[in-house]
Amino acid sequence: DAGVTQSPTHLIKTRGQQVTLRCSPKSGHDTVSWYQQALGQGPQFIFQYYEEEERQRGNFPDRFSGHQFPNYSSELNVNALLLGDSALYLCASSLLQGAGSPLHFGNGTRLTVT
Amino acid sequence: GQQLNQSPQSMFIQEGEDVSMNCTSSSIFNTWLWYKQDPGEGPVLLIALYKAGELTSNGRLTAQFGITRKDSFLNISASIPSDVGIYFCEKGGSEKLVFGKGTKLTVNP
Repeated sequence: DAGVTQSPTHLIKTRGQQVTLRCSPKSGHDTVSWYQQALGQGPQFIFQYYEEEERQRGNFPDRFSGHQFPNYSSELNVNALLLGDSALYLCASSLLQGAGSPLHFGNGTRLTVT
Repeated sequence: GQQLNQSPQSMFIQEGEDVSMNCTSSSIFNTWLWYKQDPGEGPVLLIALYKAGELTSNGRLTAQFGITRKDSFLNISASIPSDVGIYFCEKGGSEKLVFGKGTKLTVNP
């Protein structure tokens, strides 16, 4: 049973460019959440997708957008990249139903913006 | 917004020692989750707590959901080198998902 998979594992982009990160959830999970983790910090919630719609959103600008596909996989898009967007981007899947459904994380995409 | 305060920020201990870390919040939570993150990997769930006062063990790990529903602690007994990593608490549930900043644990053999 495959867990959460993310691609690519590493990425280097230049300021102003756009990037797309991909996530496949754990089998049986219907909800995908995206997090940004800066060095030495805890994960910061970006947004959550369920039934192909953005269900919740954290304090991130509109440059950050996402999508969920019918097979529950998801993409995170970041436009007009800034140096401060350099971070580890984590995807986590879960089941929406059930209070406090634990998150299953992928190993992340390390984005470096130069 | 909701804040989770984890302490201590870092710990340096000798192999075999016991470890205790905690997480507090200004607001009431219905669920506490504890995760561990190894270098280069995503966080992995250790223990989930769903009731105030609940005490749950997972091997050498023990966690408790505070009776006020505003705090939780995680204990590790007889630490070993592979316990090294960053430990995060998380407020679970359907509201916006919030993590603490983590406790970085270093175990000296």
